[in-house]
Amino acid sequence: GAVVSQHPSRVICKSGTSVKIECRSLDFQATTMFWYRQFPKQSLMLMATSNEGSKATYEQGVEKDKFLINHASLTLSTLTVTSAHPEDSSFYICSARSGAGGHTGELFFGEGSRLTVL
Amino acid sequence: KQEVTQIPAALSVPEGENLVLNCSFTDSAIYNLQWFRQDPGKGLTSLLLIQSSQREQTSGRLNASLDKSSGRSTLYIAASQPGDSATYLCAVYGNAGNNRKLIWGLGTSLAVNP
Repeated sequence: GAVVSQHPSRVICKSGTSVKIECRSLDFQATTMFWYRQFPKQSLMLMATSNEGSKATYEQGVEKDKFLINHASLTLSTLTVTSAHPEDSSFYICSARSGAGGHTGELFFGEGSRLTVL
Repeated sequence: KQEVTQIPAALSVPEGENLVLNCSFTDSAIYNLQWFRQDPGKGLTSLLLIQSSQREQTSGRLNASLDKSSGRSTLYIAASQPGDSATYLCAVYGNAGNNRKLIWGLGTSLAVNP
């Protein structure tokens, strides 16, 4: 099946620094990628939809200046947590839908990135 | 507004049992429904995708059904194994208005005991 790769899998940083997480679709082109956040024992929370070549669409309550998303190519989207603080510590997961931009494609997820801000 | 409910929230069974996990949704205007599993601290693995026009999908010991009119999907796991222990999530992709997004259930936490 299609593969979505996410890097890094774990990152520990000091408060105030910025952290970039990469999400790649390895064997298909993804015009749209999705970024989720997951707290312990809770369901996934959609943060934003990343659109290739245009601005990301953020969900209500998600600060776009805090969580910068760049989708510069059909296989790569990046999430940058700017000036990270301990409350940003979480599990971040990206996903991409296979198929030529349609709605029926299967959704594939990256392995997730565990961010710990000290 | 689409709502997705998964029952039961947790399930513990001995190895070898056949299982049924349930997912219900309130709005039948959907593109598709997808079942995933998530192991602790890991990303999600896609198990089965059912398009709105389909009734069921099968992969190995897994079978997922979809009854759009009643807003229900079931994931059937045959001859369960300890390696099946994980959280199982269903997600519904709506196709109308404000529901044009993926809506998630809270998952069923499955433990299969040797």
